[in-house]
Amino acid sequence: AQSVAQPEDQVNVAEGNPLTVKCTYSVSGNPYLFWYVQYPNRGLQFLLKYITGDNLVKGSYGFEAEFNKSQTSFHLKKPSALVSDSALYFCAVSSNSGGYNKLIFGAGTRLAVHP
Amino acid sequence: ETGVTQTPRHLVMGMTNKKSLKCEQHLGHNAMYWYKQSAKKPLELMFVYSLEERVENNSVPSRFSPECPNSSHLFLHLHTLQPEDSALYLCASSQVGRGPLAQETQYFGPGTRLLVL
Repeated sequence: AQSVAQPEDQVNVAEGNPLTVKCTYSVSGNPYLFWYVQYPNRGLQFLLKYITGDNLVKGSYGFEAEFNKSQTSFHLKKPSALVSDSALYFCAVSSNSGGYNKLIFGAGTRLAVHP
Repeated sequence: ETGVTQTPRHLVMGMTNKKSLKCEQHLGHNAMYWYKQSAKKPLELMFVYSLEERVENNSVPSRFSPECPNSSHLFLHLHTLQPEDSALYLCASSQVGRGPLAQETQYFGPGTRLLVL
């Protein structure tokens, strides 16, 4: 069965410092991996995805993620955190199931960026 | 905005009420999804409609009844809910198909915050 793990419930970072939000996955076959962000009282907003190709994927708002097949990880990173990056971040893995893409989400990691 | 709208944004209902949640996507997609987001739990996929046919019902109780009259609209009809059904209900859409399109991104609406008293 496919699964996604986000081992940290919360990540605290000082503004201007680099941030990493961790994600590991378990999937049979080639993984299709996604990161979403959720701001308070809002829906999920797509940040980036890995389908194939370059292991380093760049996304919205300066975020990037690195696909590591040997470690089955897809960590989200940003070189310099902003207070406005504070939100809930979800990693997800997709499989093509019956003609649609089924997303399996991690439990989410709350990112708190302090001034 | 993502091109997916949901109404109402907030809903309070008693256990004997009947209400409906509405979702509309303006992205030309051919698949739509209902998710439930409860505190301290991962997002739960409830229903999937692909090409206007229901292709997944993820063991959801019958007090939740989805309807997809066309590829742009999705409803979730609610009847005799329980307090534990209080949650954020999210709608999403995507374009599905063969090859690269099979992994197209899902775009989410802002959600309906439901409170069942």
